[in-house]
Amino acid sequence: AQSVTQLDSQVPVFEEAPVELRCNYSSSVSVYLFWYVQYPNQGLQLLLKYLSGSTLVKGINGFEAEFNKSQTSFHLRKPSVHISDTAEYFCAVIPRGTYKYIFGTGTRLKVLA
Amino acid sequence: DAGVIQSPRHEVTEMGQEVTLRCKPISGHNSLFWYRQTMMRGLELLIYFNNNVPIDDSGMPEDRFSAKMPNASFSTLKIQPSEPRDSAVYFCASSFLSGKKLNQPQHFGDGTRLSIL
Repeated sequence: AQSVTQLDSQVPVFEEAPVELRCNYSSSVSVYLFWYVQYPNQGLQLLLKYLSGSTLVKGINGFEAEFNKSQTSFHLRKPSVHISDTAEYFCAVIPRGTYKYIFGTGTRLKVLA
Repeated sequence: DAGVIQSPRHEVTEMGQEVTLRCKPISGHNSLFWYRQTMMRGLELLIYFNNNVPIDDSGMPEDRFSAKMPNASFSTLKIQPSEPRDSAVYFCASSFLSGKKLNQPQHFGDGTRLSIL
C-alpha cells in the first residue's frame, strides 16, 4: 500500500524568511509526485509536479521541490515567503500505472508580518 | 480558459432533503473526479468517470450517494436522503487521461460547501 506523510500540520514563518514543507512517501512501485496549494474557500491548485527527468522541479509563485528517491522525499521550498503564501499545502503521489492521487494530510503555512 | 465550475458554492439544507451538486469540467478533458474533504478524513475520492462512464465508485460512501455524467460537459453528485454527517466540502476535478498518460494533473473546482442541519 502507498502512503504520503506530511509530518508538519502547521508551519508558522515570518515574511521574507525561507520555508521548507516536508513530504515523505511510501510505495512499492514508482510514483509521480505533486504539490498542490489550497487558499481559503478555494479548490486545490497545482504548484508543481515531478514526472521524470531533473529531480529539482520549479513551480509557480517561486516554489521549488526536490525529488530524493533514496529518502523517498519530495520537500517543497521557497527562499522568501510572502503574506499571500498563507494557505494549506498538499503533497500527493500517483503510483505508476494508476490514476489515483494519494494525498497527504496537508500542511498549513502561516506567514507572519 | 474557464476552469472547473461547480455549483452551488454553498448549500445549507435540512436532514432528509435531497441535495444535488453540479460540475462542469474543463472543455476537452475526458476524466472527472468527485472528492469529499473533511477535517477528520482529509480528501477522499468518491468516484471517477472516464469518457462519461463511471470507472471507479468504490469511494462512494453508501447507497444514498449517486453520481451521473450524462455528457462530457456536465456531472452531478446527488445525496438522498442527506444526513448531518454528509456535511463537508465537495470538489470536482477534471483531467485528460489516456492509457499511456495516467499521471496528468487534475484541475479542481472551488468546491461546494455543504451543511446538513
